[in-house]
Amino acid sequence: GENVEQHPSTLSVQEGDSAVIKCTYSDSASNYFPWYKQELGKRPQLIIDIRSNVGEKKDQRIAVTLNKTAKHFSLHITETQPEDSAVYFCAAYTGGFKTIFGAGTRLFVKA
Amino acid sequence: NAGVTQTPKFQVLKTGQSMTLQCAQDMNHEYMSWYRQDPGMGLRLIHYSVGAGITDQGEVPNGYNVSRSTTEDFPLRLLSAAPSQTSVYFCASKGGNTQYFGPGTRLTVL
Repeated sequence: GENVEQHPSTLSVQEGDSAVIKCTYSDSASNYFPWYKQELGKRPQLIIDIRSNVGEKKDQRIAVTLNKTAKHFSLHITETQPEDSAVYFCAAYTGGFKTIFGAGTRLFVKA
Repeated sequence: NAGVTQTPKFQVLKTGQSMTLQCAQDMNHEYMSWYRQDPGMGLRLIHYSVGAGITDQGEVPNGYNVSRSTTEDFPLRLLSAAPSQTSVYFCASKGGNTQYFGPGTRLTVL
């Protein structure tokens, strides 16, 4: 079945450094790739997304890149801040009304 | 708009008990879904619905039932609770490409 692999599972960076989280999807029909941020005890919330006809999208300090050929997509956070500490989930929308999530990356930003 | 609401926030059950987790949305979204979240396993799709009267299974449907009699409501039923169903449950509705999650229900099965 469809699956999304996400790496790393845990990421620790120094405040001000960049953080990169990578995902790989299996269903070549996937056409939409959202990223969610979940703070401790809270619900997941959409932070950025990208469609399959776009290679890169940026929103202030966060950006997402997509390589359709390799079925890879990545989240980049620059100038990290302590409030970026959270669990981040990538996901792939398969078009069959399903969104498949990666297992999550716990990001720690050390002040 | 209240968005997506879920009740209860916390629940403790004994093995074999049944219960219904409630989910409602006021955004007139056709697509709704239920996920469970377990440590290290992300969000796994249990059941989803693309409109009133239409439901389908996700990745982990066993032990759960759903129904969709109205656009607003999408309850999840645990037929006979098992300790393996201890988890945090999120309901979500989708508008356009964006999924909106409810606040979650933390369920413990003893």
